[in-house]
Amino acid sequence: DIVMTQSPDSLAVSLGERATINCKSSQSVLYSSNNKNYLAWYQQRPGQPPNLLIYWASTRESGVPDRFSGSGSGTDFTLTISTLQAEDVAVYYCQQYFSTPETFGQGTKVEIK
Amino acid sequence: QVQLVQSGSELKKPGASVKVSCKASGYTFTSYAMNWVRQAPGQGLEWMGWINTNTGDPTYAQGFTGRLAFSLDTSVSTAYLQISSLKAEDTAVYYCARGGDGYNYWGQGTLVTVSS
Repeated sequence: DIVMTQSPDSLAVSLGERATINCKSSQSVLYSSNNKNYLAWYQQRPGQPPNLLIYWASTRESGVPDRFSGSGSGTDFTLTISTLQAEDVAVYYCQQYFSTPETFGQGTKVEIK
Repeated sequence: QVQLVQSGSELKKPGASVKVSCKASGYTFTSYAMNWVRQAPGQGLEWMGWINTNTGDPTYAQGFTGRLAFSLDTSVSTAYLQISSLKAEDTAVYYCARGGDGYNYWGQGTLVTVSS
């Protein structure tokens, strides 16, 4: 199984500042035949189901604000919130869908400082 | 618009079984896989498996094998999750999620509480 490890477990950021979340996979999730990283990012607000933000490691889902961006390749990935808004308080998860089981990271809680 | 609507909360005793439904609308049901994910109270997301909505073939995460059963009724665009021999540690919110490039549609979640 591919193990997904996020860091940090939590972070507090001032409104308008940048938040950066890292995700590392225990093996590469880059499929060489199409050069795509099978990595997604989700936001989960309290009491809500997860919401897809990013897929293919860097493609923003329709309707997701452009302050959210994803980067990385192979085994190391980053989700960046460029200017934190109050509504971004949530837990963020990475997920690999390269192979089953399609494992999630443990989550990173983002709060306002 | 795409919607996944799940059945309501369940309270079950240890050793019992539960069946959760997930009714899809707004798209062709058999064009996308259906995944099941659970979340224990205060915990992260755990992938349980998926079902091919064309063939009905299920894939289960290890650790659940033998207690899980995914099924379909394509005539009503509905996927089902059945868990048998329930344990207290199965207490969680269970989500269905449409497959694709990431899971871009999720059900609202079904709380299953296992308690004597």
